[in-house]
Amino acid sequence: QQQVKQSPQSLIVQKGGISIINCAYENTAFDYFPWYQQFPGKGPALLIAIRPDVSEKKEGRFTISFNKSAKQFSLHIMDSQPGDSATYFCAPRVDNAGNMLTFGGGTRLMVKP
Amino acid sequence: NAGVTQTPKFRILKIGQSMTLQCAQDMNHNYMYWYRQDPGMGLKLIYYSVGAGITDKGEVPNGYNVSRSTTEDFPLRLELAAPSQTSVYFCASSPGRVEEKLFFGSGTQLSVL
Repeated sequence: QQQVKQSPQSLIVQKGGISIINCAYENTAFDYFPWYQQFPGKGPALLIAIRPDVSEKKEGRFTISFNKSAKQFSLHIMDSQPGDSATYFCAPRVDNAGNMLTFGGGTRLMVKP
Repeated sequence: NAGVTQTPKFRILKIGQSMTLQCAQDMNHNYMYWYRQDPGMGLKLIYYSVGAGITDKGEVPNGYNVSRSTTEDFPLRLELAAPSQTSVYFCASSPGRVEEKLFFGSGTQLSVL
């Protein structure tokens, strides 16, 4: 059973446009909902994260929207820039002693100049 | 401050050979993790450790072993390499459960031929 489903697999957006990536999950034990950004040849790096007690969090051009009843959360990138071209992963965490993340399959974003 | 350092960056193994992937962190983090990333896929947890002397299996532990004798080091051992272990391996660390952010190394690209 795939616990975390991410969509779309790839996305092409024009510079200045809005990029939207979605993540659907099954496990109601998830208690922390981050998005990681990965550039080619590098490890993932935390971009933005949200806890389930809020429905939205904004940091600069990046916004997470969280819908607990639908078991979904999404990443919105406003005014997308070529430097945002990367692979994005949702990686919710189960509330246990290990602080372990469950990664989605990833979305490859390309922002065209 | 180097963060999480992985060595080697690239390695080619023959089927049946053994090797150790090294991981070291200089942030005094208690939690450390090994993930593998297959092409076009998300990361899958192999093993993790919540402190020196404590290790536990993740989602895909078969064919791997780990040890954690110090806070700084968390090596991953492949005993009998198989083509299915061709992947990019990422080591990560985290201060602990209270702060959830994971810090990733740059990865080791392993090919088993």
